[in-house]
Amino acid sequence: DAKTTQPPSMDCAEGRAANLPCNHSTISGNEYVYWYRQIHSQGPQYIIHGLKNNETNEMASLIITEDRKSSTLILPHATLRDTAVYYCIVRVPEAAGNKLTFGGGTRVLVKP
Amino acid sequence: GAGVSQSPSNKVTEKGKDVELRCDPISGHTALYWYRQSLGQGLEFLIYFQGNSAPDKSGLPSDRFSAERTGGSVSTLTIQRTQQEDSAVYLCASTQIPGRQIYFGEGSWLTVV
Repeated sequence: DAKTTQPPSMDCAEGRAANLPCNHSTISGNEYVYWYRQIHSQGPQYIIHGLKNNETNEMASLIITEDRKSSTLILPHATLRDTAVYYCIVRVPEAAGNKLTFGGGTRVLVKP
Repeated sequence: GAGVSQSPSNKVTEKGKDVELRCDPISGHTALYWYRQSLGQGLEFLIYFQGNSAPDKSGLPSDRFSAERTGGSVSTLTIQRTQQEDSAVYLCASTQIPGRQIYFGEGSWLTVV
């Protein structure tokens, strides 16, 4: 799996949008971009994933650049409960043996 | 149940004892993964099951660690002669094949004293 690079930490004001960047310059054509988050050592929670088109669900939006070398996870209205470590991972989903390889993630602190 | 279920949720054991951790994946999920996370550290892959076989055991840290899966469902991770450095939360995950999403359980917290 390709490696990803994320800032180690960022703060966000409650109610504002949180924009979390991720670089994956060596991503291959069949690798998807996944985002997970982990709240205080609970099991990682799936947020969203995409291949090349922008994606949106009830939790977040994922913006992938045209060259697919980077992406941004957007939490539109951050709440205190969004404080967590956010992981950006690239993976080929069709092969189950392609496990999720977690890096250091971004520690997001949402402040009142 | 609807999600990945793990037991026990918490386990305190004495150094040198054996422990077994159980994972019950989401029904119908043929792929199962074990991860470990030590306090303040990242998630470390241990082993992957496809059905009852384990094509990737590359993350098992020593021969004291073993895992099995029966009936293509429940998996057990066994740690023999536990050491203090084994203290961690052990996370199980599962997915369908092909699977776009991998779902995690809440983990089993192991403390070796």
